[in-house]
Amino acid sequence: NAGVTQTPKFQVLKTGQSMTLQCAQDMNHEYMSWYRQDPGMGLRLIHYSVGAGITDQGEVPNGYNVSRSTTEDFPLRLLSAAPSQTSVYFCASRGGTGGNIQYFGAGTRLSVL
Amino acid sequence: RKEVEQDPGPFNVPEGATVAFNCTYSNSASQSFFWYRQDCRKEPKLLMSVYSSGNEDGRFTAQLNRASQYISLLIRDSKLSDSATYLCVVNDKTGGFKTIFGAGTRLFVKA
Repeated sequence: NAGVTQTPKFQVLKTGQSMTLQCAQDMNHEYMSWYRQDPGMGLRLIHYSVGAGITDQGEVPNGYNVSRSTTEDFPLRLLSAAPSQTSVYFCASRGGTGGNIQYFGAGTRLSVL
Repeated sequence: RKEVEQDPGPFNVPEGATVAFNCTYSNSASQSFFWYRQDCRKEPKLLMSVYSSGNEDGRFTAQLNRASQYISLLIRDSKLSDSATYLCVVNDKTGGFKTIFGAGTRLFVKA
């Protein structure tokens, strides 16, 4: 079972560079989301999607873009990386009913120098 | 007030101890409830769902009190391997998608 797959696992960027964090799920889940987790802190929601073609902002959306062209994929784009975006990024997915469990990818550890 | 609040921790307990984590949520329309476990530098993983009737999985017992908007997790006979951060998670159905994570309570179990 692949579940939620994130790539890359690690990334180092220079300030001002752009990149895309990839996320794919094979569970046909409607809901997908991106979180960031800073050291010693809780999860903070960046963007989420309730289905293909539908995205919305979470708690900390600035500096990030998302799109959802297919059910399976939900990439996160960093437009112009800043040191404040150094964090661990988790992608998650869940089914459409309220009782459904959220599954996480293994995370991408990003450092911006 | 935070939507999901947990004990700030950390909890430091000896092996074999019983430890209880508490969580409160603010939205009375919340629909489903979970405890997740997160090991250092790893992704959160489901520990157990929480049902109104209470449920048990081995050494772990979860309780939900909808009237008080309170969720608990009890760990009996703590093991070294229980050391982790425990996250209280609530799914809200109102307004569509909303999964809310508590900040987590760190548990250290020592020999």
